[in-house]
Amino acid sequence: KQEVTQIPAALSVPEGENLVLNCSFTDSAIYNLQWFRQDPGKGLTSLLLIQSSQREQTSGRLNASLDKSSGRSTLYIAASQPGDSATYLCAVREMDSSYKLIFGSGTRLLVRP
Amino acid sequence: GAGVSQSPSNKVTEKGKDVELRCDPISGHTALYWYRQSLGQGLEFLIYFQGNSAPDKSGLPSDRFSAERTGGSVSTLTIQRTQQEDSAVYLCASSSRIDRGSPTKGTQYFGPGTRLLVL
Repeated sequence: KQEVTQIPAALSVPEGENLVLNCSFTDSAIYNLQWFRQDPGKGLTSLLLIQSSQREQTSGRLNASLDKSSGRSTLYIAASQPGDSATYLCAVREMDSSYKLIFGSGTRLLVRP
Repeated sequence: GAGVSQSPSNKVTEKGKDVELRCDPISGHTALYWYRQSLGQGLEFLIYFQGNSAPDKSGLPSDRFSAERTGGSVSTLTIQRTQQEDSAVYLCASSSRIDRGSPTKGTQYFGPGTRLLVL
């Protein structure tokens, strides 16, 4: 059974720092991996999606990498800002016929001004 | 265009009552998903629709839960005889199969959710 783990569970950094969020999954047979952010009381906003054949994706100050063989993904946030404060979730879609996403429990990020 | 919308945004009900939650996917998206986010459980999959059919209902927690989709668009999640453990945020997402070949193919776009509280 696929399990997705995110470390750390919470992170507090001063504004301007570069930071890395980690996501690991137990079964490497994935179709893709998606990173989301969730603001308090809100839905999920898709940040980046990495297909299983890709190694990384970039959007602005965000860079996500995927190492399928080791079951790991990282989300790198450059020059963090207070507006980046949110919960970050990673989710994998497996290679079987199901289209469901399996989520990690998230990393709660606070960027202090 | 408009994103995924859900209604109501909040719902308070009494134990034992039935509730209906609505999801309006992004126009043209053939795939629709329901997830539930509850304290201590994280985000869990409930059901997946492709068009009007549901090839994967594996996440529905009991037979009190059902969902339908009509016209390949709007979906309704119904919870009968609600229990306190049903209290959660119910999230809907949609995705397109048309963007094959795109690096973003398979991206699921989420609505704001319905917060359900069963007293």
